[in-house]
Order: sequence, then structure tokens, then C-alpha cells
Amino acid sequence: KQEVTQIPAALSVPEGENLVLNCSFTDSAIYNLQWFRQDPGKGLTSLLLIQSSQREQTSGRLNASLDKSSGRSTLYIAASQPGDSATYLCAVSPMEYGNKLVFGAGTILRVKS
Amino acid sequence: DAGITQSPRYKITETGRQVTLMCHQTWSHSYMFWYRQDLGHGLRLIYYSAAADITDKGEVPDGYVVSRSKTENFPLTLESATRSQTSVYFCASSESNFRIDSPLHFGNGTRLTVT
Repeated sequence: KQEVTQIPAALSVPEGENLVLNCSFTDSAIYNLQWFRQDPGKGLTSLLLIQSSQREQTSGRLNASLDKSSGRSTLYIAASQPGDSATYLCAVSPMEYGNKLVFGAGTILRVKS
Repeated sequence: DAGITQSPRYKITETGRQVTLMCHQTWSHSYMFWYRQDLGHGLRLIYYSAAADITDKGEVPDGYVVSRSKTENFPLTLESATRSQTSVYFCASSESNFRIDSPLHFGNGTRLTVT
């Protein structure tokens, strides 16, 4: 059974710092991996999707990498801002059942001004 | 506005009552999903649908019923609500299945409390 783990569970950084969020998964047989952002009281917003054949994806200050063989992904946020404060979740699409996503518990990020 | 609309945003009901959570999307996405989010369990899939009249169970389907007579609507019914079903419920949709480059789009959720 696919399991997704996110470390750290919470992170507090000063504004302007570059930071890395980690995601690991137990089964490398995946179609893709997605990173989401969730603001309090809101739904999830898809940030980046990396196909299993890709190594990384970039959107603005966000860069997500994927090392499928080792079961790891990182989300790099450059020059963090208070508006980046949110919960970040990663999710994988296992080949075992391609119509479902398995989510990690998330990392709560607080960027202090 | 395009997107996913969930209603109601908040609902309080009593144990044993039937309650229906509504979900409407304007993109004509084929796939729709219901998740529940709980502290300590994260997001768990309840049911999903690949198209109108096609539904399938997710990880935690017991006590829930879904239907999808129209592509744009995917209601979730709790047949006889229990306190363990107190949760935040999210509806989501995607254009195609996850084998393809198809991100998942979420509604803002329904916070359900069963007393």
C-alpha cells in the first residue's frame, strides 16, 4: 500500500529565506506527483504536477523535483513571503490504481515578516 | 464563475439523520471525487466518478452514497449520520484520469458536524 510522508510537519522561517519541503513515498510505481497549497478554511490549489518521466517542474518562485527511484520529491520556495504561509501537501498517483491520489499529511509553513 | 461549488459550507446535523452534500462544477470535467479531511488522517478518498452514471468506491466509502446523473453534479449522501462522520468534506474534479497530465481542482469544502 502506497504511503506518503512529509517532513517537516511544520516550519517557521523569516521572510526572504529560501526553503525546502520534503515528500517521500513508499512505492516508486507512480504516474505523477502533485504539490498542493491549502489556505485555512479553503480547498486545495494545485501548484505543480510532475509526470513520472520528468525530473522537475517550475512555476515562478516554486520548483519541484522528483526522484522516483528513491521515492522522494522536494518543493523549493525561493525568497519566501508572508503570503506563502499555508499548508503544503504532496500527493502521488499510484500505478496500482490510476484514478486515485494518495496524500501526505502536509507541512504547515509560516513565513514571518 | 467557473469552478467547483460546494454547498452548504457549514452543516450541523443530528446522529441518524440523512444529509446530502452538494457539488457542482462548471468545467465539464469527466472525473469527480469526494474526500474527507481529518486531523491525523489527512485526506481520504470516499468515492469517485469517471463519468455520468459511473461511480466507484474509494478508501472509506462505508456510510456514504453517491450518484452522478449529470456530468456537472456529484452529490454525497450520508444515509444515517454518525459522529465519526464529523469532518471537512471536499469535492474535486479533473479533466482526465491521473495517467495523463491532469491536475486536481478542489472546492472550498463543507464542514459537517454530527451531534
